[in-house]
Amino acid sequence: NAGVTQTPKFQVLKTGQSMTLQCAQDMNHNSMYWYRQDPGMGLRLIYYSASEGTTDKGEVPNGYNVSRLNKREFSLRLESAAPSQTSVYFCASSERESNSPLHFGNGTRLTVT
Amino acid sequence: AQSVTQPDIHITVSEGASLELRCNYSYGATPYLFWYVQSPGQGLQLLLKYFSGDTLVQGIKGFEAEFKRSQSSFNLRKPSVHWSDAAEYFCAVGAADSWGKLQFGAGTQVVVTP
Repeated sequence: NAGVTQTPKFQVLKTGQSMTLQCAQDMNHNSMYWYRQDPGMGLRLIYYSASEGTTDKGEVPNGYNVSRLNKREFSLRLESAAPSQTSVYFCASSERESNSPLHFGNGTRLTVT
Repeated sequence: AQSVTQPDIHITVSEGASLELRCNYSYGATPYLFWYVQSPGQGLQLLLKYFSGDTLVQGIKGFEAEFKRSQSSFNLRKPSVHWSDAAEYFCAVGAADSWGKLQFGAGTQVVVTP
């Protein structure tokens, strides 16, 4: 029962570098999400994908792009990392129903220097 | 737009004592309300959820929460805290037309002392 798997667990980038955070779920969920967690701010939605083939912006999308590769995988890309993107990133998935809870991965801790 | 306030950033409680975490929300329609717990280095785990019906909901690990529409609150309680309950707790609100697009509170850090 892997659930939601995120890679890598930790990453350090220099300003201007790019990287992709990977996320895969094995629960056959339709919807997937990327959140970032910053101290004192809770979690904020970056992008989400209601179903395979669709993606939409969340609350804080600037500086990020996403790809819903297939039903299982949803990646988050930082094209040119900035120190303001230092955060813990969580991927989540759910059924496509409003009362369906989110299932979270264990997070990726990203530091941009 | 919905919003969530968790007034307490940090709470210290003795093992065996009761715990109550406060959550206030702002939302025009009937909200979908959740409590999640995050242990260090882990993702968030759902404790309980409220959509409709009985306003007192039971969750995992002995937690319960009560929805009070008149006070726009959804407070989390546990009668007797265990050391393993030390974690960060997040309240979240969602809407019927927004799958997974939850608005999270800033979180409450719970420390359990012997």
